[in-house]
Amino acid sequence: KAGVTQTPRYLIKTRGQQVTLSCSPISGHRSVSWYQQTPGQGLQFLFEYFSETQRNKGNFPGRFSGRQFSNSRSEMNVSTLELGDSALYLCASSLESSRVGEQYFGPGTRLTVT
Amino acid sequence: AQSVTQLGSHVSVSEGALVLLRCNYSSSVPPYLFWYVQYPNQGLQLLLKYTSAATLVKGINGFEAEFKKSETSFHLTKPSAHMSDAAEYFCAVSEGAAGNKLTFGGGTRVLVKP
Repeated sequence: KAGVTQTPRYLIKTRGQQVTLSCSPISGHRSVSWYQQTPGQGLQFLFEYFSETQRNKGNFPGRFSGRQFSNSRSEMNVSTLELGDSALYLCASSLESSRVGEQYFGPGTRLTVT
Repeated sequence: AQSVTQLGSHVSVSEGALVLLRCNYSSSVPPYLFWYVQYPNQGLQLLLKYTSAATLVKGINGFEAEFKKSETSFHLTKPSAHMSDAAEYFCAVSEGAAGNKLTFGGGTRVLVKP
């Protein structure tokens, strides 16, 4: 079975621009979560989508948003990019809500904001 | 609110020696606990998880962890380190409510000396 895929793997954007990252979960997985990883703040939860609905949300500003499509693929969007948004963005998928935490992570998208 | 503390951001061990990575958690409800490993330029891989069954949990690659409620700890061990164990290790907690929100510790980077 193919793992979680994230595109693009690397991205360079300019401050003030917006960006969209994509995540394709493992086939059959309905939950997709997003995390931000930075050297200073570590791994932080952004949000989780399950069956096209946002089920959990972390403490990030409204510039960070996401959505999930009917095929469980998910996108996250960051508007008005700031230098501090430079990070590795990780997507994780889970089979269903009952299997708490058994999440499978993708390789991440490394975003650099200049 | 839940939190995770990993003692020691860097650990250096000799090949063949015991690996011990410390994790303490704070949770208002019985937690689900996890250890993940991250190799350079990769996503996170689940090593093992505790979900209120046996307190000693065995994972992949020879790792195991013991849940101690009285000490609110979930330390990770491996009897004999291998060069391939060099990576960053993250302890994480989920309170098990609906959803897959993980709170991560700061991570411990393991260096294995020949």
